[in-house]
Amino acid sequence: QKEVEQDPGPLSVPEGAIVSLNCTYSNSAFQYFMWYRQYSRKGPELLMYTYSSGNKEDGRFTAQVDKSSKYISLFIRDSQPSDSATYLCAMSVIAAGKSTFGDGTTLTVKP
Amino acid sequence: DARVTQTPRDKVTEMGQEVTMRCQPILGHNTVFWYRQTMMQGLELLAYFRNRAPLDDSGMPKDRFSAEMPDATLATLKIQPSEPRDSAVYFCASGYGETQYFGPGTRLLVL
Repeated sequence: QKEVEQDPGPLSVPEGAIVSLNCTYSNSAFQYFMWYRQYSRKGPELLMYTYSSGNKEDGRFTAQVDKSSKYISLFIRDSQPSDSATYLCAMSVIAAGKSTFGDGTTLTVKP
Repeated sequence: DARVTQTPRDKVTEMGQEVTMRCQPILGHNTVFWYRQTMMQGLELLAYFRNRAPLDDSGMPKDRFSAEMPDATLATLKIQPSEPRDSAVYFCASGYGETQYFGPGTRLLVL
């Protein structure tokens, strides 16, 4: 079983919908939680970054971490066609120097 | 706007040939990563360096792959001899702390 599990989708929603993307993990030592967005034929780009539990909001994006359940989420409000991409979660242990990535969820937002 | 650069962007070669991929990390970043991405396996960490010293290359097939960082502005990944199963997109990323910044990738096809 992988340390980080992510539903690959694909997920297709209409424009304006609220999108929920999720990852579960098994390593309780993870303290840093990241979301990356990857457009087709591009490298992943860092979208959001949180430390430990709680919520973080950035515009239409909200990242949520529930360490008790070992579950993280990314919410996208008022989704746009430009949000169509693959979203990868990533996690790391303090000072490990490397992250463990999920396999990514492919999202399509239809106009 | 500082970016990770990678060359070549695309490479087609025949089985048995040597392949060299190059990466210029973002100035000031002390950690450099090499990843391989395929549809089947997702994003796999091959090797990473901190302050130019190799920290972990356990993800690399050691008999054919080698990664080096001859100076702070250059990281290389070599495959010799290449095999069709090496066909993938290879990403370099650099970072300082827990977050990583990815290059555009080298798309490798081994015939």
